[in-house]
Amino acid sequence: DQQVKQNSPSLSVQEGRISILNCDYTNSMFDYFLWYKKYPAEGPTFLISISSIKDKNEDGRFTVFLNKSAKHLSLHIVPSQPGDSAVYFCAAFLVRSGTYKYIFGTGTRLKVLA
Amino acid sequence: SAVISQKPSRDICQRGTSLTIQCQVDSQVTMMFWYRQQPGQSLTLIATANQGSEATYESGFVIDKFPISRPNLTFSTLTVSNMSPEDSSIYLCSVAPGGKEKLFFGSGTQLSVL
Repeated sequence: DQQVKQNSPSLSVQEGRISILNCDYTNSMFDYFLWYKKYPAEGPTFLISISSIKDKNEDGRFTVFLNKSAKHLSLHIVPSQPGDSAVYFCAAFLVRSGTYKYIFGTGTRLKVLA
Repeated sequence: SAVISQKPSRDICQRGTSLTIQCQVDSQVTMMFWYRQQPGQSLTLIATANQGSEATYESGFVIDKFPISRPNLTFSTLTVSNMSPEDSSIYLCSVAPGGKEKLFFGSGTQLSVL
């Protein structure tokens, strides 16, 4: 049961254009969402996050949008740069039984073309 | 923030042997998370390790196969026991020292089982 899904396994974008990565989730109990970038042979690095009480959070070139009614979030990268080429994971934070965990999506491989 | 040192960074092991992965954090943290990323797949949570108590394993993962130690608030080990080629994955430890807003990862252990 994949509670967090990224339906596009890959995306190619021209340098300077906007990259839009999408993520869908099924559990309405998720109350925090995060985006990570992962290069080969490295651990994931944090990009940006958003609380479930907000619908938008912006940090430089990165903006995350949350649509709770649709259980959908997206990451916008503007302008896209070749160094942004990596695998992007969305993650959801869940509190359960006095503890908590993070559930990750399946990832989208972004390729920014120079 | 948190700096996580994970070792070994990679290993090639024979079927039937065991490998212990170490994770050292530069600050005290209550919970440490162990993830697995199989080739082309998402990050899957194996277990959550609290200091002073038994690790909590996710569905599909058992203590006999993935024993975890958590002797103090800055260190944990994950052992992959009786390995088979299906265990070939990247194994990652992670912590959230500041709460849910950010999860930090080690650089990962690339395990190949022949």
